[in-house]
Amino acid sequence: QKEVEQNSGPLSVPEGAIASLNCTYSDRVSQSFFWYRQYSGKSPELIMSIYSNGDKEDGRFTAQLNKASQYVSLLIRDSQPSDSATYLCAVIAREYSGGGADGLTFGKGTHLIIQP
Amino acid sequence: ETGVTQTPRHLVMGMTNKKSLKCEQHLGHNAMYWYKQSAKKPLELMFVYSLEERVENNSVPSRFSPECPNSSHLFLHLHTLQPEDSALYLCASSQDRRGSYNEQFFGPGTRLTVL
Repeated sequence: QKEVEQNSGPLSVPEGAIASLNCTYSDRVSQSFFWYRQYSGKSPELIMSIYSNGDKEDGRFTAQLNKASQYVSLLIRDSQPSDSATYLCAVIAREYSGGGADGLTFGKGTHLIIQP
Repeated sequence: ETGVTQTPRHLVMGMTNKKSLKCEQHLGHNAMYWYKQSAKKPLELMFVYSLEERVENNSVPSRFSPECPNSSHLFLHLHTLQPEDSALYLCASSQDRRGSYNEQFFGPGTRLTVL
């Protein structure tokens, strides 16, 4: 059974600091990894996707993937109060095979609070 | 309209009612999804459609019935629901093609309350 684990938090970080969010997954064949941000009462918003081992940077966000350790993380630099939200880690287990879309397996999310 | 839209945004229904949720995507995608988000549980995949054909039914009770008449529209027909079906129902879409990594984009959701 595919599982995605996240610390539910809350994770409290002072404004301007680096927020570090972690996620582990159980299915070794997992190939595609995503971070979504969800504000209270809103739907998830895709902020990062990563497919290869290493780091991927996009503005203040950096996603890190280590397939050997089955671990993916999200770093948020220069944290702002507007970054306060729940961050969802999601995984697609199956490598694209040329037919059929695949659903996401989500973790429960980490509640991040940026303190002004 | 841009992105993924869903109607209604809020729905209250009795256990004997029949209702439908509607999703429309304006992104030119060819795959669409229904997810359920309940309190204190991870988002759960319900149905997947690719090129208007259902490719996955994630052990969802038959009181939920999906319909995908074309690549832009997705419906979820509801009948004789239970109070535990109260949740946020989210629609998503993606471009399913060789070399694509299936980034999925969500609509705003329908908040469903079953009395």
